[in-house]
Amino acid sequence: GAVVSQHPSWVICKSGTSVKIECRSLDFQATTMFWYRQFPKQSLMLMATSNEGSKATYEQGVEKDKFLINHASLTLSTLTVTSAHPEDSSFYICSARVTAGDSNQPQHFGDGTRLSIL
Amino acid sequence: GQQLNQSPQSMFIQEGEDVSMNCTSSSIFNTWLWYKQDPGEGPVLLIALYKAGELTSNGRLTAQFGITRKDSFLNISASIPSDVGIYFCAGQEGFGNEKLTFGTGTRLTIIP
Repeated sequence: GAVVSQHPSWVICKSGTSVKIECRSLDFQATTMFWYRQFPKQSLMLMATSNEGSKATYEQGVEKDKFLINHASLTLSTLTVTSAHPEDSSFYICSARVTAGDSNQPQHFGDGTRLSIL
Repeated sequence: GQQLNQSPQSMFIQEGEDVSMNCTSSSIFNTWLWYKQDPGEGPVLLIALYKAGELTSNGRLTAQFGITRKDSFLNISASIPSDVGIYFCAGQEGFGNEKLTFGTGTRLTIIP
Protein backbone atom coordinates (compact mmCIF):
# COMPACT_ATOMS: atom_id res chain seq x y z
CA GLY A 1 0.00 0.00 0.00
CA ALA A 2 0.82 3.75 0.02
CA VAL A 3 2.05 3.93 -3.57
CA VAL A 4 2.88 7.31 -5.07
CA SER A 5 3.17 7.56 -8.85
CA GLN A 6 4.95 10.37 -10.64
CA HIS A 7 4.76 11.17 -14.34
CA PRO A 8 6.70 11.66 -16.50
CA SER A 9 9.88 9.93 -15.35
CA TRP A 10 12.06 12.23 -17.40
CA VAL A 11 11.67 15.25 -19.61
CA ILE A 12 14.07 16.90 -22.02
CA CYS A 13 12.92 20.18 -23.50
CA LYS A 14 14.05 23.49 -24.87
CA SER A 15 14.61 26.58 -22.77
CA GLY A 16 11.43 28.62 -22.39
CA THR A 17 9.12 25.60 -22.39
CA SER A 18 6.68 24.99 -19.55
CA VAL A 19 6.68 21.50 -18.10
CA LYS A 20 3.97 19.83 -16.03
CA ILE A 21 4.74 17.00 -13.61
CA GLU A 22 1.98 14.88 -12.05
CA CYS A 23 2.00 13.23 -8.66
CA ARG A 24 -0.70 10.69 -7.83
CA SER A 25 -1.46 8.71 -4.71
CA LEU A 26 -2.65 5.41 -6.18
CA ASP A 27 -4.22 3.60 -3.26
CA PHE A 28 -4.85 6.28 -0.68
CA GLN A 29 -6.09 9.82 -0.32
CA ALA A 30 -3.76 12.66 0.52
CA THR A 31 -4.91 16.14 1.48
CA THR A 32 -1.28 17.16 1.60
CA MET A 33 1.47 16.43 -0.90
CA PHE A 34 5.01 17.77 -0.97
CA TRP A 35 7.33 18.76 -3.79
CA TYR A 36 11.09 18.42 -3.45
CA ARG A 37 14.03 19.23 -5.69
CA GLN A 38 17.29 17.32 -5.62
CA PHE A 39 20.45 18.45 -7.40
CA PRO A 40 23.17 15.88 -8.22
CA LYS A 41 24.87 14.42 -5.16
CA GLN A 42 22.79 16.56 -2.85
CA SER A 43 19.95 15.95 -0.46
CA LEU A 44 16.26 16.60 -1.00
CA MET A 45 15.15 20.19 -0.47
CA LEU A 46 11.49 20.95 0.12
CA MET A 47 10.07 23.38 -2.42
CA ALA A 48 6.44 23.58 -1.43
CA THR A 49 3.57 21.94 0.40
CA SER A 50 0.55 21.24 -1.76
CA ASN A 51 -2.82 21.41 -0.04
CA GLU A 52 -5.95 19.96 -1.64
CA GLY A 53 -8.44 22.67 -2.48
CA SER A 54 -6.26 25.56 -1.37
CA LYS A 55 -3.10 27.42 -2.28
CA ALA A 56 0.27 25.79 -1.92
CA THR A 57 2.74 26.94 0.71
CA TYR A 58 6.16 27.70 -0.72
CA GLU A 59 9.50 27.52 1.06
CA GLN A 60 11.66 30.58 1.29
CA GLY A 61 13.47 31.30 -1.94
CA VAL A 62 11.12 29.28 -4.15
CA GLU A 63 9.32 31.43 -6.74
CA LYS A 64 5.61 30.69 -6.65
CA ASP A 65 5.09 32.17 -10.12
CA LYS A 66 7.83 29.97 -11.51
CA PHE A 67 6.67 26.72 -9.91
CA LEU A 68 2.89 26.51 -10.15
CA ILE A 69 1.22 23.90 -7.98
CA ASN A 70 -2.32 22.64 -8.31
CA HIS A 71 -3.88 20.09 -5.97
CA ALA A 72 -7.37 19.70 -7.35
CA SER A 73 -8.22 16.30 -5.89
CA LEU A 74 -7.28 14.07 -2.99
CA THR A 75 -5.14 11.91 -5.25
CA LEU A 76 -3.47 14.34 -7.65
CA SER A 77 -1.08 17.25 -7.37
CA THR A 78 0.69 18.86 -10.31
CA LEU A 79 3.83 20.98 -10.49
CA THR A 80 4.30 23.18 -13.54
CA VAL A 81 7.73 24.64 -14.16
CA THR A 82 6.95 27.72 -16.22
CA SER A 83 9.35 29.05 -18.84
CA ALA A 84 12.00 26.57 -17.76
CA HIS A 85 15.68 27.45 -18.12
CA PRO A 86 18.82 25.29 -17.83
CA GLU A 87 19.22 26.19 -14.16
CA ASP A 88 15.85 24.54 -13.49
CA SER A 89 17.29 21.20 -14.58
CA SER A 90 17.04 18.92 -11.58
CA PHE A 91 15.38 15.82 -10.12
CA TYR A 92 11.89 16.71 -8.88
CA ILE A 93 10.29 14.36 -6.37
CA CYS A 94 6.85 14.42 -4.81
CA SER A 95 5.63 12.77 -1.66
CA ALA A 96 2.25 12.17 -0.08
CA ARG A 97 1.05 11.29 3.35
CA VAL A 98 -1.97 9.13 4.07
CA THR A 99 -4.85 11.25 5.26
CA ALA A 100 -6.13 9.46 8.32
CA GLY A 101 -7.09 10.00 11.93
CA ASP A 102 -3.71 8.68 13.05
CA SER A 103 -1.22 11.51 12.71
CA ASN A 104 1.70 9.06 12.69
CA GLN A 105 1.70 8.49 8.95
CA PRO A 106 5.05 8.87 7.17
CA GLN A 107 5.52 10.45 3.77
CA HIS A 108 5.82 8.11 0.80
CA PHE A 109 7.72 9.25 -2.25
CA GLY A 110 7.24 9.00 -5.98
CA ASP A 111 10.04 7.82 -8.25
CA GLY A 112 10.95 11.34 -9.29
CA THR A 113 11.07 13.25 -12.57
CA ARG A 114 14.39 14.05 -14.19
CA LEU A 115 14.04 17.44 -15.89
CA SER A 116 16.70 18.50 -18.37
CA ILE A 117 16.40 21.90 -20.02
CA LEU A 118 18.56 22.45 -23.08
CA GLY B 1 16.97 25.55 4.23
CA GLN B 2 18.00 23.57 7.26
CA GLN B 3 19.62 20.18 6.85
CA LEU B 4 20.43 17.54 9.35
CA ASN B 5 24.06 16.50 9.75
CA GLN B 6 24.56 12.92 8.72
CA SER B 7 27.74 10.90 9.14
CA PRO B 8 29.66 9.37 7.67
CA GLN B 9 29.24 11.01 4.28
CA SER B 10 30.27 7.79 2.55
CA MET B 11 31.19 4.26 3.50
CA PHE B 12 33.09 1.56 1.66
CA ILE B 13 32.58 -1.85 3.22
CA GLN B 14 32.84 -5.51 2.35
CA GLU B 15 29.81 -7.71 1.98
CA GLY B 16 28.81 -9.20 5.30
CA GLU B 17 30.06 -6.30 7.40
CA ASP B 18 27.80 -4.36 9.73
CA VAL B 19 27.08 -0.68 9.01
CA SER B 20 26.33 2.17 11.36
CA MET B 21 25.38 5.73 10.47
CA ASN B 22 23.92 8.59 12.45
CA CYS B 23 22.09 11.83 12.13
CA THR B 24 22.21 14.87 14.41
CA SER B 25 20.25 18.08 14.64
CA SER B 26 20.52 21.33 16.54
CA SER B 27 16.77 21.33 17.04
CA ILE B 28 14.25 18.82 18.33
CA PHE B 29 12.21 16.58 16.07
CA ASN B 30 9.25 14.49 17.20
CA THR B 31 9.50 11.96 14.39
CA TRP B 32 12.60 10.50 12.79
CA LEU B 33 12.53 8.63 9.52
CA TRP B 34 15.14 6.71 7.58
CA TYR B 35 14.93 6.41 3.79
CA LYS B 36 17.05 4.67 1.14
CA GLN B 37 17.44 6.12 -2.34
CA ASP B 38 18.70 4.20 -5.36
CA PRO B 39 20.04 6.11 -8.38
CA GLY B 40 17.31 7.77 -10.41
CA GLU B 41 14.56 6.82 -7.99
CA GLY B 42 12.69 8.36 -5.13
CA PRO B 43 13.46 7.60 -1.49
CA VAL B 44 11.92 4.47 0.00
CA LEU B 45 10.92 4.43 3.66
CA LEU B 46 12.93 2.00 5.78
CA ILE B 47 12.01 2.78 9.37
CA ALA B 48 9.84 5.36 11.14
CA LEU B 49 10.46 6.35 14.77
CA TYR B 50 7.84 8.21 16.79
CA LYS B 51 8.98 8.14 20.40
CA ALA B 52 12.18 9.31 22.09
CA GLY B 53 14.29 6.31 23.04
CA GLU B 54 12.41 4.04 20.65
CA LEU B 55 14.43 1.21 19.09
CA THR B 56 12.84 -0.32 16.00
CA SER B 57 13.96 -3.10 13.68
CA ASN B 58 13.03 -3.95 10.12
CA GLY B 59 14.80 -7.15 9.12
CA ARG B 60 18.54 -6.48 9.19
CA LEU B 61 17.95 -2.79 9.88
CA THR B 62 17.74 -1.28 13.34
CA ALA B 63 17.17 2.38 14.13
CA GLN B 64 16.91 4.35 17.33
CA PHE B 65 15.31 7.69 18.20
CA GLY B 66 17.69 9.54 20.52
CA ILE B 67 16.55 10.44 24.02
CA THR B 68 17.29 14.12 23.43
CA ARG B 69 15.15 13.99 20.25
CA LYS B 70 18.05 15.60 18.42
CA ASP B 71 19.62 12.49 16.94
CA SER B 72 19.03 9.06 15.48
CA PHE B 73 21.13 6.18 14.23
CA LEU B 74 20.65 3.40 11.71
CA ASN B 75 22.45 0.08 11.79
CA ILE B 76 22.54 -2.50 9.02
CA SER B 77 23.74 -5.95 9.94
CA ALA B 78 25.42 -8.43 7.60
CA SER B 79 25.36 -6.14 4.55
CA ILE B 80 24.46 -7.55 1.15
CA PRO B 81 24.98 -6.08 -2.35
CA SER B 82 21.45 -4.68 -2.59
CA ASP B 83 22.15 -2.47 0.43
CA VAL B 84 24.16 -0.20 -1.87
CA GLY B 85 22.60 3.25 -2.17
CA ILE B 86 22.20 6.54 -0.37
CA TYR B 87 20.62 6.57 3.06
CA PHE B 88 18.85 9.68 4.28
CA CYS B 89 17.54 10.51 7.70
CA ALA B 90 14.64 12.92 7.96
CA GLY B 91 13.16 14.76 10.90
CA GLN B 92 9.62 15.97 11.34
CA GLU B 93 8.54 18.48 13.96
CA GLY B 94 4.98 17.18 14.09
CA PHE B 95 2.16 18.84 15.99
CA GLY B 96 0.64 20.03 12.74
CA ASN B 97 3.95 20.65 10.99
CA GLU B 98 4.33 17.78 8.55
CA LYS B 99 7.37 19.11 6.70
CA LEU B 100 10.41 16.88 6.56
CA THR B 101 13.96 18.10 6.98
CA PHE B 102 16.42 15.76 5.31
CA GLY B 103 19.92 14.79 6.29
CA THR B 104 22.90 15.21 4.02
CA GLY B 105 22.95 11.52 3.17
CA THR B 106 25.32 8.57 3.59
CA ARG B 107 26.46 6.83 0.44
CA LEU B 108 27.04 3.12 1.01
CA THR B 109 29.30 1.21 -1.37
CA ILE B 110 30.03 -2.49 -1.03
CA ILE B 111 33.45 -3.60 -2.16
CA PRO B 112 33.43 -6.95 -3.94
